[in-house]
Amino acid sequence: SYVLTQPPSVSVAPGKTARINCVGHNIGSKSVHWYQQKPGQAPVLVVYDYSDRPSGIPERFSGSNSGNTATLTISRVEAGDEADYYCQVWDSSNVVFGGGTKVTV
Amino acid sequence: QLQLQESGPGLAKPSETLSLTCSVSGGSISSSNCYWGWIRQPPGKGLEWIGMIYYSGNTYYNPSLRSRVTISVDTSKNEFSLRLSSVTAADTAVYYCARRFYDTSGHYYFDFWGQGTLVTVSS
Repeated sequence: SYVLTQPPSVSVAPGKTARINCVGHNIGSKSVHWYQQKPGQAPVLVVYDYSDRPSGIPERFSGSNSGNTATLTISRVEAGDEADYYCQVWDSSNVVFGGGTKVTV
Repeated sequence: QLQLQESGPGLAKPSETLSLTCSVSGGSISSSNCYWGWIRQPPGKGLEWIGMIYYSGNTYYNPSLRSRVTISVDTSKNEFSLRLSSVTAADTAVYYCARRFYDTSGHYYFDFWGQGTLVTVSS
């Protein structure tokens, strides 16, 4: 089965840039989506198709995808960005989530 | 605005069947470009996809849960349901329902989620 690997945690200072990697075999050939989950809340889609944003999501959130690594980048990080982030792909008729990354600001 | 709401017992006994329903409002469950899914999250852990269903009844299930999962849809009530049999403590989790949307570029993603409901498996 397909596996997505994320770092457990990332720390970033306010105003700096956070980068969260999602590693999977040949993930660059797949459509990658990213979700933000704050404590006690449901996940929220922040980036889809590795680089597009739903309405209402700030431009500070962006994505890239190449080779075996997809990356969610959060620019000019704010305190409100502190959350867990999950990558997700569709593989062989299965939805696959990464293990999640806790971003601490 | 589309809204999804999970409902069902918050407690299930070991070896019994967990049953949840997701009510959809603000949109039709019969939309041709949507699947309707279940995702769960054990306390303090990550997201695990359970499965999903199309309004016609076509389903996809997580292979690791397939033998115990049934997802069904009732278009007349605009809702879909989850049944998970032979539950154990390992099935204790927050269960979310969500819409998987198929956009014009051919990509699929979960764009609307319910608030989630905690189900505890305990005798």
